[in-house]
Amino acid sequence: GDSVTQMEGPVTLSEEAFLTINCTYTATGYPSLFWYVQYPGEGLQLLLKATKADDKGSNKGFEATYRKETTSFHLEKGSVQVSDSAVYFCALSDRVNDYKLSFGAGTTVTVRA
Amino acid sequence: KAGVTQTPRYLIKTRGQQVTLSCSPISGHRSVSWYQQTPGQGLQFLFEYFSETQRNKGNFPGRFSGRQFSNSRSEMNVSTLELGDSALYLCASSATGNEQYFGPGTRLTVT
Repeated sequence: GDSVTQMEGPVTLSEEAFLTINCTYTATGYPSLFWYVQYPGEGLQLLLKATKADDKGSNKGFEATYRKETTSFHLEKGSVQVSDSAVYFCALSDRVNDYKLSFGAGTTVTVRA
Repeated sequence: KAGVTQTPRYLIKTRGQQVTLSCSPISGHRSVSWYQQTPGQGLQFLFEYFSETQRNKGNFPGRFSGRQFSNSRSEMNVSTLELGDSALYLCASSATGNEQYFGPGTRLTVT
């Protein structure tokens, strides 16, 4: 079945550092890929998405490229801020499974001033 | 547009009781999905409703059930609560099914 594996946390960075969170997936069909972010005490917010190979999703300085050859969707940001401290989830959905989201375990990111 | 709303936000129940959680999707969205989030198991899919029909179901016992009304609002019910049902229950709505938007969640504590 579909599954997502993402980098174990926690990750602690200084402000303005480069952030990368690795995500790889296994899927039987042609999935769409997502990154969600969860701030303390809140639900999930859709950060970015990509629906086909080589698509690049981007939002708020974050980017991720759908790499079919390596089955990866790594999240990157060039210069993080304290406000980026959150838990980040990689996820996939597939029309074969009626778009049920399968999530990675989540990566906790803490950015220090 | 208003986002996904969930009520109540917090709930404390006793083992053996039952609970009903409510979700109002984004206006125009006909698909509503439910997820359970726990520290140990992470985010797990419960079920999805589309136009009042359950279209997909995760691997949860029959104590977990749901329904969707004609206005797309959805409710989730858990009967005979167990301590392990303590979790954040998240509802997500979608217009197409592919892009899901989440509500703030209902934090259920079972004592």
